[in-house]
Amino acid sequence: GENVEQHPSTLSVQEGDSAVIKCTYSDSASNYFPWYKQELGKRPQLIIDIRSNVGEKKDQRIAVTLNKTAKHFSLHITETQPEDSAVYFCAASRTGNQFYFGTGTSLTVIP
Amino acid sequence: SQTIHQWPATLVQPVGSPLSLECTVEGTSNPNLYWYRQAAGRGLQLLFYSVGIGQISSEVPQNLSASRPQDRQFILSSKKLLLSDSGFYLCAWSLSVDTQYFGPGTRLTVL
Repeated sequence: GENVEQHPSTLSVQEGDSAVIKCTYSDSASNYFPWYKQELGKRPQLIIDIRSNVGEKKDQRIAVTLNKTAKHFSLHITETQPEDSAVYFCAASRTGNQFYFGTGTSLTVIP
Repeated sequence: SQTIHQWPATLVQPVGSPLSLECTVEGTSNPNLYWYRQAAGRGLQLLFYSVGIGQISSEVPQNLSASRPQDRQFILSSKKLLLSDSGFYLCAWSLSVDTQYFGPGTRLTVL
């Protein structure tokens, strides 16, 4: 089955700096890669996703890049704000029936 | 639009008692349905997933079971709760080749 690894497990950045979270996957057939943000005590919420036919996708301060050859994808948050503090999960999926999640990154943005 | 409900929102149960958590989805047909458990400060552990009525796949052998009596209803059960069953239980749905959306979750404390 698929194995998704996520790094780092914790990340602290100064407000206004950029944050990068990286994930690798093992199944070359995986073709859909969502990222979720989970605030304390709440459900994970989708923030951005990318499909295997695209190398990069951007939505305001958030971007995701995908390298299919190396089987890794990354989340980039620019101009971080305190409200970006949360746990972020990456995931990989093939056909959309099963989703394999990374272990999460706890991001703290220091004002 | 689609909506996912879970209840109860919180639950405190003694060890050895039974459990029934319910999840329902509105606004879509034949969704894939999932149960996850999240221990405090930890990642998402997939417990069960279902691609149709009566079709349940178990990811982790344990004292929990799942049933899907109707297309948009997914139930998580236990005959006898253990202390280790405490956690945040999340139901999720997806359509094939599409993203996964999480319910609001049930916080279970076993004493």
